Amino acid sequence: AQKITQTQPGMFVQEKEAVTLDCTYDTSDPSYGLFWYKQPSSGEMIFLIYQGSYDQQNATEGRYSLNFQKARKSANLVISASQLGDSAMYFCAMRGVNTNAGKSTFGDGTTLTVKP
Amino acid sequence: DGGITQSPKYLFRKEGQNVTLSCEQNLNHDAMYWYRQDPGQGLRLIYYSQIVNDFQKGDIAEGYSVSREKKESFPLTVTSAQKNPTAFYLCASSAHSAQGSNQPQHFGDGTRLSIL
Repeated sequence: AQKITQTQPGMFVQEKEAVTLDCTYDTSDPSYGLFWYKQPSSGEMIFLIYQGSYDQQNATEGRYSLNFQKARKSANLVISASQLGDSAMYFCAMRGVNTNAGKSTFGDGTTLTVKP
Repeated sequence: DGGITQSPKYLFRKEGQNVTLSCEQNLNHDAMYWYRQDPGQGLRLIYYSQIVNDFQKGDIAEGYSVSREKKESFPLTVTSAQKNPTAFYLCASSAHSAQGSNQPQHFGDGTRLSIL
């Protein structure tokens, strides 16, 4: 089984500051991928960043970085220099390769509000 | 442009009626997914398919049915057995998990289903 837990229903951050969105996971699959998606109020889902379970380095994509701690089973998203357009719902997701091949599991999401 | 097209954008269902949501992709992806999202909540997996003519139940398959006769298409039928169908439905596609865990999902713009 796979499970994603996002414990922060809502977060606030001041514009231009950094913010960390928490994500912990559980899986029986030895190989898996972790993803973060952004969902603005319009509803579309936008892929942000990916971390593989065997990757030695933390993933980075522009202002997004992933703080991956495998032993703690956490994959927190860090957004640097927040912008007003970052206000949205953010989802952590995982996808197994073996036991849960093809199946993707999403967390309940964190609503981020960026204050001017 | 390659992408995923969901139709219709809005759909209304009468009591006891079956309705079908369309999902078409031209990304040449093997895997396709259907998710349900309730207001303020995360995505819950209804069905997924990794290859043509094969699909698996997700976490909330009861009251729904799918088919995968063509690689490009993965329609979802919401049957009258689904007593609470009002939700936002998202279709997604990705490369097959055999290509690795690093394949993100690409999402359509969603269909909002309501009960009349």
